[in-house]
Amino acid sequence: KAGVTQTPRYLIKTRGQQVTLSCSPISGHRSVSWYQQTPGQGLQFLFEYFSETQRNKGNFPGRFSGRQFSNSRSEMNVSTLELGDSALYLCASSLDGRGKNTEAFFGQGTRLTVV
Amino acid sequence: GNSVTQMEGPVTLSEEAFLTINCTYTATGYPSLFWYVQYPGEGLQLLLKATKADDKGSNKGFEATYRKETTSFHLEKGSVQVSDSAVYFCALSEPWDSGYSTLTFGKGTMLLVSP
Repeated sequence: KAGVTQTPRYLIKTRGQQVTLSCSPISGHRSVSWYQQTPGQGLQFLFEYFSETQRNKGNFPGRFSGRQFSNSRSEMNVSTLELGDSALYLCASSLDGRGKNTEAFFGQGTRLTVV
Repeated sequence: GNSVTQMEGPVTLSEEAFLTINCTYTATGYPSLFWYVQYPGEGLQLLLKATKADDKGSNKGFEATYRKETTSFHLEKGSVQVSDSAVYFCALSEPWDSGYSTLTFGKGTMLLVSP
């Protein structure tokens, strides 16, 4: 059974550009969450999608957005990149986020560097 | 809101030493508790979990007991190996019947095991 796949693994972007990251969840998983990991702030929740709808959102500016497709694949977009957006972005999938199915499986992450 | 506090690292041990990483939490309801491990350059892997008070999660020689009275979920291992060197994250999720998959993480504790 394939795990959570995130592409690309590494990205280098310039300030002011925008970027799109992709996440393919484990087959059958319908909930996809995104997290930002930085040395200073640790792991912070960005948003969660379930059945193509954003179900929960963390405390990030509107430059951070996402979406989920009918096959549960998800993308997140960051516009007008800032140096502080440099981070490891992690995607996690779970069956449906309810009851005992809240166990989340993480991808290897996308390392974004903004220069 | 919910929060997780874990001991700061790095924790430096010799092979076969006993390991304890402390974790305490603050939550309004009855969260599920998790330990995740992150190896260099990788995403997070679920190490163990507990979903209710007095549950003991265990995996690969690691164990942790959900202590509601002390709001703690300390990670222990009787004999560490060099291959256990990694960063360990304590986390909690919203009450399991809320429908949310949001994870709140501690800052992480780096474990370094020397031969």
